[in-house]
Amino acid sequence: DGGITQSPKYLFRKEGQNVTLSCEQNLNHDAMYWYRQDPGQGLRLIYYSQIVNDFQKGDIAEGYSVSREKKESFPLTVTSAQKNPTAFYLCASRGYPGANVLTFGAGSRLTVL
Amino acid sequence: SQQGEEDPQALSIQEGENATMNCSYKTSINNLQWYRQNSGRGLVHLILIRSNEREKHSGRLRVTLDTSKKSSSLLITASRAADTASYFCATDAQIQGAQKLVFGQGTRLTINP
Repeated sequence: DGGITQSPKYLFRKEGQNVTLSCEQNLNHDAMYWYRQDPGQGLRLIYYSQIVNDFQKGDIAEGYSVSREKKESFPLTVTSAQKNPTAFYLCASRGYPGANVLTFGAGSRLTVL
Repeated sequence: SQQGEEDPQALSIQEGENATMNCSYKTSINNLQWYRQNSGRGLVHLILIRSNEREKHSGRLRVTLDTSKKSSSLLITASRAADTASYFCATDAQIQGAQKLVFGQGTRLTINP
């Protein structure tokens, strides 16, 4: 089945550590996105990538980094510079340039201890 | 500020009743979409309505769009316990020179058996 796989589903981190969240898609989609979701605040865009080897900052990129070395993969690193990293992180992809409809992964919940 | 704002933030109804959620937005849009999110999961696309459409149906879902009032509503008829989820509107618009999909804060719907 085609879809988006995010891992791990749950992740615990000590303060000062970097962590990387994985996002893999087998939909052959060009564009991929990372969103952060906090209770009561909806989804906020962290980074997005329209094509391989290119990515742009979203609305809340500070403290995060990404790479897009392969079409299928768009990992997100939450660095120690991110002041409040505890959140639910969602990866999404878009296959059709004409309609901005997103397919989402199941999410990764990061908790900083 | 949020491009899309949803009302109510939470809604609790009895099984079999209809549920109506509203979304307001600020700028001109290309289209407006509704997504559903079960607790702790990713979002699933439900329906898209283009800016030149006024109403659209999909199964038990009915979406309306009033571009003069910059508002949309999602009606779920004959609700079922399985409809319990959060529902998000997302506006596809040109913001600061870039095409963006911006999500509202969501309506948390509870269907009581």
